[in-house]
Amino acid sequence: NAGVTQTPKFRILKIGQSMTLQCAQDMNHNYMYWYRQDPGMGLKLIYYSVGAGITDKGEVPNGYNVSRSTTEDFPLRLELAAPSQTSVYFCASSDREPGANVLTFGAGSRLTVL
Amino acid sequence: ILNVEQSPQSLHVQEGDSTNFTCSFPSSNFYALHWYRWETAKSPEALFVMTLNGDEKKKGRISATLNTKEGYSYLYIKGSQPEDSATYLCAYINAGNMLTFGGGTRLMVKP
Repeated sequence: NAGVTQTPKFRILKIGQSMTLQCAQDMNHNYMYWYRQDPGMGLKLIYYSVGAGITDKGEVPNGYNVSRSTTEDFPLRLELAAPSQTSVYFCASSDREPGANVLTFGAGSRLTVL
Repeated sequence: ILNVEQSPQSLHVQEGDSTNFTCSFPSSNFYALHWYRWETAKSPEALFVMTLNGDEKKKGRISATLNTKEGYSYLYIKGSQPEDSATYLCAYINAGNMLTFGGGTRLMVKP
């Protein structure tokens, strides 16, 4: 039972490069989320999805894009990477809307933009 | 953007000490509160889900209380152990199902 799987675990990018962080869950969860964690700032929501084909912006969406073509996968794309996007990225999922349903997190992806 | 505050930001205690920290959130439009435990180099894991005013939850030496009228939750750890060292996150969920994390309290327990 893998839960939420994120790849890659680590990546270094040059300014202006693009990349995709992959996230997959095998729990048939409808809701999926991307967060970034900056030191001393807690977790900030980038994008979320309430089901296949539906995505919405969170608190800090600028510079990112997402897609949700299947229930299982929720990739996060960085176009034209900037040093401000250096962070640890966490993907999470929940069965239904948060409330009584806790989030299950992936192990994180540490991205450095130089 | 909803204001969810956790205090203190960090805490150093000796093994065996009991400790507590606070999560403050908007008292209006409350739906639920989550507590997560986040060890270094791992991912956050859920501790408690709290929904009703006056709720008390317990898991081993860790317990939590909830006051929705005044907008706070306390997390207590009795007899802290080095393995309790982690960041403890609260997440406030409002009636619109918007989840907002607090900044976390980083606990370090010295043997």
